[in-house]
Amino acid sequence: GIQVEQSPPDLILQEGANSTLRCNFSDSVNNLQWFHQNPWGQLINLFYIPSGTKQNGRLSATTVATERYSLLYISSSQTTDSGVYFCAVERRSQGNLIFGKGTKLSVKP
Amino acid sequence: KAGVTQTPRYLIKTRGQQVTLSCSPISGHRSVSWYQQTPGQGLQFLFEYFSETQRNKGNFPGRFSGRQFSNSRSEMNVSTLELGDSALYLCASKKQGDNSPLHFGNGTRLTVT
Repeated sequence: GIQVEQSPPDLILQEGANSTLRCNFSDSVNNLQWFHQNPWGQLINLFYIPSGTKQNGRLSATTVATERYSLLYISSSQTTDSGVYFCAVERRSQGNLIFGKGTKLSVKP
Repeated sequence: KAGVTQTPRYLIKTRGQQVTLSCSPISGHRSVSWYQQTPGQGLQFLFEYFSETQRNKGNFPGRFSGRQFSNSRSEMNVSTLELGDSALYLCASKKQGDNSPLHFGNGTRLTVT
């Protein structure tokens, strides 16, 4: 089956710093989503981005489908950005998301 | 618009018992899927329902089952609970069609003792 690898597994930042999270996937996909899981377990949609670039405030994401990777950029990080960031992909007609293991981000004040 | 609603939020059961979890999708969403999250295995797909039919199933034993009602609400059931079933169970919904994002509920945290 398709493999989803996220890097780095852990990231510690000082408040105000920028960061880039990476997601590599092993096969073509028709759906790619980035999620933030807060300490209470809630998975929050950040981006639905099977290809191209999107921005939402301090966050932006880019997916290069032909090269099978996606990047999530966090600028001017805040302590509330802490949590685990997941990348998940879906193959056409599969009907389910396959998740990476996540990047655990800790932002220190 | 209300999000995906899961009940209950927390549940404690003993080995051998069974449990039923409930999920109400976003209004207008007809696809509902379930995921299990554990520290060891991460997030894993259980099954997906669309128009009251199971459309896709993950690699879980038959003790895990689900159903969807005509109003798109869904339930999942786990019978003969084992300690390893302790997990966060997440429900997600999406509109019909391939090119739609999944939206997740807050989850039900099940502890089996």
